[in-house]
Amino acid sequence: SQQGEEDPQALSIQEGENATMNCSYKTSINNLQWYRQNSGRGLVHLILIRSNEREKHSGRLRVTLDTSKKSSSLLITASRAADTASYFCATYAGNNRKLIWGLGTSLAVNP
Amino acid sequence: KAGVTQTPRYLIKTRGQQVTLSCSPISGHRSVSWYQQTPGQGLQFLFEYFSETQRNKGNFPGRFSGRQFSNSRSEMNVSTLELGDSALYLCASSLGAGGLPDTQYFGPGTRLTVL
Repeated sequence: SQQGEEDPQALSIQEGENATMNCSYKTSINNLQWYRQNSGRGLVHLILIRSNEREKHSGRLRVTLDTSKKSSSLLITASRAADTASYFCATYAGNNRKLIWGLGTSLAVNP
Repeated sequence: KAGVTQTPRYLIKTRGQQVTLSCSPISGHRSVSWYQQTPGQGLQFLFEYFSETQRNKGNFPGRFSGRQFSNSRSEMNVSTLELGDSALYLCASSLGAGGLPDTQYFGPGTRLTVL
């Protein structure tokens, strides 16, 4: 079974707009990671946020984590056509080194 | 540094056959994990190897096995292939040491089609 569930499943926006994706998970975590996957570059790590962090930034990416609600969000600002991809959240729980994935959000950025 | 490489990139097999996939991690990385990705189930963890030992295992049948060599390169094997084994198989490497799981770097994957 999946640990994370991304919402929405699909998102279509215009270039320059912001995109927000949400992830909910079921059990307590050590950290939560966001990845991007497209046909050109495969699965690429974007950002890792630890369970004791609430917000993290990396370039145009902003990730928040609310452990009380077991949820995270990924915000991409000023989107570009190159941001078109599937975005996944993945979590580690406890001492378990298994990375558990959501089913992803498919983002289409239209020029 | 060179990234994670996987060979072959594409593979077509028939039911009942077996297959071996190979993964070379980033230089210096000692942990290699394998994942299966399908449209219906998404990404699912198969197993992780660290210093030639299986450190974690997912919920896959015994037909799925793996190993890691002293140079950290890893192979996974699937025996008695079934149609449902058709998937993208991804390998990821990480430093692997320390108490908490660290960032994983993925290879391009091997697309396996079982006919």
